[in-house]
Amino acid sequence: QSVLTQPPSTSGTPGQRVTISCSGGSSNIGRNAVNWYQQLPGTAPKLLIYSNNLRPSGVPDRFSGSKSDTSASLAISGLQSEDEADYYCASWDDSLNGRVFGGGTKLTVL
Amino acid sequence: QVQLQESGPGLVKPSGTLSLTCAVSAGSVSRGNWWSWVRQPPGRGLEWIGEIFQSGNAAYNPSLKSRVTISLDKSKNQFSLNLRSVTAADTAMYYCAREWRDAYDIWGQGTMVTVFS
Repeated sequence: QSVLTQPPSTSGTPGQRVTISCSGGSSNIGRNAVNWYQQLPGTAPKLLIYSNNLRPSGVPDRFSGSKSDTSASLAISGLQSEDEADYYCASWDDSLNGRVFGGGTKLTVL
Repeated sequence: QVQLQESGPGLVKPSGTLSLTCAVSAGSVSRGNWWSWVRQPPGRGLEWIGEIFQSGNAAYNPSLKSRVTISLDKSKNQFSLNLRSVTAADTAMYYCAREWRDAYDIWGQGTMVTVFS
């Protein structure tokens, strides 16, 4: 049972826009930044979004993040086949005094 | 570009100690970053294990705190993970990572550890 809640799976067709939600609480997302990671099959996670809505250098602007109260979202526009991966949200939890991850969302490109 | 590389035994016996090292190249563990360990059981999600700052201050996952020690070796430019009293539930891919702007911007490739008698 993850502290941050994500849908287990989602899907979309090429060119479509998809969003992945991440629900938390007042001790984590409500007070701290949210980061998003992409994990392609058989590889280490890669930072996709940090500080709620900032993209590291090299991440396409098709990827965007947002946060409101105790929830966050990752949006992917112009979906491509290479976007098929697992996506994880993460934040710091002040009550646990540690980092917490969502359970992950598997994105399938149909 | 900073790179991280995990190393250590791929098999550990139940009740034994899992020991891994993360070597840092093209960068220094003495800079102002937190250095972290994250694991991923087969087919499951990511779990934060803990992290250590250049000062030696460390923070651990409460669920693992009684069994975990993360240490820093500035002379070798590496940091390490010790997890004691392991069980099959500790079987996972173990990643080391660097914290930057409160996010993990650089990850090692990961090393699989199986607890198996």
